Amino acid sequence: DVKVTQSSRYLVKRTGEKVFLECVQDMDHENMFWYRQDPGLGLRLIYFSYDVKMKEKGDIPEGYSVSREKKERFSLILESASTNQTSMYLCASVSGYQETQYFGPGTRLLVL
Amino acid sequence: GEDVEQSLFLSVREGDSSVINCTYTDSSSTYLYWYKQEPGAGLQLLTYIFSNMDMKQDQRLTVLLNKKDKHLSLRIADTQTGDSAIYFCAEIGARGGSYIPTFGRGTSLIVHP
Repeated sequence: DVKVTQSSRYLVKRTGEKVFLECVQDMDHENMFWYRQDPGLGLRLIYFSYDVKMKEKGDIPEGYSVSREKKERFSLILESASTNQTSMYLCASVSGYQETQYFGPGTRLLVL
Repeated sequence: GEDVEQSLFLSVREGDSSVINCTYTDSSSTYLYWYKQEPGAGLQLLTYIFSNMDMKQDQRLTVLLNKKDKHLSLRIADTQTGDSAIYFCAEIGARGGSYIPTFGRGTSLIVHP
């Protein structure tokens, strides 16, 4: 079974802090994604990566950056956290077969 | 751009059938998906359908695809309280050489006794 893990389930940070969210997958998938999920807005794509050291902006990249130094790990970075970045963050890893997305359990981030 | 629309809420009685509808815009989508999200968890793939099919059945789940109208539905037979969750419809479209999914906003299914 594919396993996607995220470093924290819950995180509380202060405005202006630098925040790292880590995602690790164990199935050698090439493509990985970061989304944020907000009530009534569904999932919005922040960044994705289709290979090590490669990254592409999604629909809402502002205020975020990403890092993919190893194939299994995709990190989302909030350079200077703001209250409007309070959200649920979901990482996904994609199987080439049918392009099925496998999701981590999510990190619920609260920025005070 | 691509868009996926679905209603936000559906309430059904336990034992009844639930039908969740979705419309999409990208006619080149090869696969369409239904994901389920239980409270406090990530999304989990429920089922998918290939675009050249018009129906797929998997135990209590039936997926219907009307490609002409770009309409996808998920029917859950004999709905149980454990089916209460948010259901997301998704399509896959090509974007800049990669295949990027577009998700609907999710339908909250509430099952009451």
